[in-house]
Amino acid sequence: DAGITQSPRHKVTETGTPVTLRCHQTENHRYMYWYRQDPGHGLRLIHYSYGVKDTDKGEVSDGYSVSRSKTEDFLLTLESATSSQTSVYFCAIMTANYGYTFGSGTRLTVV
Amino acid sequence: AQKITQTQPGMFVQEKEAVTLDCTYDTSDQSYGLFWYKQPSSGEMIFLIYQGSYDEQNATEGRYSLNFQKARKSANLVISASQLGDSAMYFCAMREGHRDGLTFGKGTHLIIQP
Repeated sequence: DAGITQSPRHKVTETGTPVTLRCHQTENHRYMYWYRQDPGHGLRLIHYSYGVKDTDKGEVSDGYSVSRSKTEDFLLTLESATSSQTSVYFCAIMTANYGYTFGSGTRLTVV
Repeated sequence: AQKITQTQPGMFVQEKEAVTLDCTYDTSDQSYGLFWYKQPSSGEMIFLIYQGSYDEQNATEGRYSLNFQKARKSANLVISASQLGDSAMYFCAMREGHRDGLTFGKGTHLIIQP
């Protein structure tokens, strides 16, 4: 099973503060993804990475930035959190044969 | 236009019955992949089954099978002999580019009744 961990698992933050979520993998997979999940919307792609320092925008990238300075870590940053960014955030990696494995999720509440 | 459409927001099914969860997709790519994931109330995303666009046989994984009808652009999930533990959200998803992420449908909330 691909080792993928997200931290923190839960976070409450105030509007206007910066927040960084971390995704860590242990198996050197090249492709990593950040999604958000909201009721009635399924999962929507925020950003993805296809290698160190190589990232691209997804469907709902406004208000988010990402960084990948090491293969194993993919960081998602909310520069100035808003209530509309209250959501569950999932990280995923593409494994062999184009499969995808998801982390356990981070529940973020912006108050 | 939505790329993945799941028309059943919720379903109630009797235990031991077979269940079909609908999924239609929209793509102009010739090469793509279709996935089904299960999300129980605990929140994790569990991979169930995968169908490649060039696969001639319908995918099967234990009690799960994917009814792939390419001309109709449908990829329905069939669960045989449903169990109480099958109660969960089910998501259909599609991959188009070789490195792109998945595009998800809005999900179907399946409840298995004893």
